[in-house]
Amino acid sequence: GQQLNQSPQSMFIQEGEDVSMNCTSSSIFNTWLWYKQEPGEGPVLLIALYKAGELTSNGRLTAQFGITRKDSFLNISASIPSDVGIYFCAGRYSGGGADGLTFGKGTHLIIQP
Amino acid sequence: KAGVTQTPRYLIKTRGQQVTLSCSPISGHRSVSWYQQTPGQGLQFLFEYFSETQRNKGNFPGRFSGRQFSNSRSEMNVSTLELGDSALYLCASSLGVSAEAFFGQGTRLTVV
Repeated sequence: GQQLNQSPQSMFIQEGEDVSMNCTSSSIFNTWLWYKQEPGEGPVLLIALYKAGELTSNGRLTAQFGITRKDSFLNISASIPSDVGIYFCAGRYSGGGADGLTFGKGTHLIIQP
Repeated sequence: KAGVTQTPRYLIKTRGQQVTLSCSPISGHRSVSWYQQTPGQGLQFLFEYFSETQRNKGNFPGRFSGRQFSNSRSEMNVSTLELGDSALYLCASSLGVSAEAFFGQGTRLTVV
């Protein structure tokens, strides 16, 4: 089955720093989604990407859909305390078979004031 | 606009019992998918429904089943519960099968 490698697993940063995380896949995806999950809550959609090469921003967040369709990255600029949480990438290939989202294992972001 | 609603939020069941979880999607969304989240395996796809039809199924045993009603609400059922079924079960809704998926808060199932 499809596998997503998400890195890093965790990040300890200072408030105000920029953050970068990425996901790579063993196969191509048609859609990349980035989610944030906080304790006791479901994942919240941050950014959706539908086209290879696409670069999309949502406030301080920027994500890109890799040209090979096998990778994506998420950047967070000037981190603030409320950015703390677990960030997940998710990919979908809508070409038959299991079309559900395949998730990475998550990047745990911890911000030190 | 109301988000995805899952009930109940918490559930404790005994091994061997069965359980039914409920999901009400965002108004106008016709696709509902279910995921299991555990610390060891992460988020794993269970199945997806669109217009009352199961479109896709993940790699889970037949004890896991679901259905979708004409109003797009969905239920998932787990029979003969095992300890390993303890997890956060998440429901996501989307306009269509390949569209952006929005998650509910989940149902925390504990099997004892």
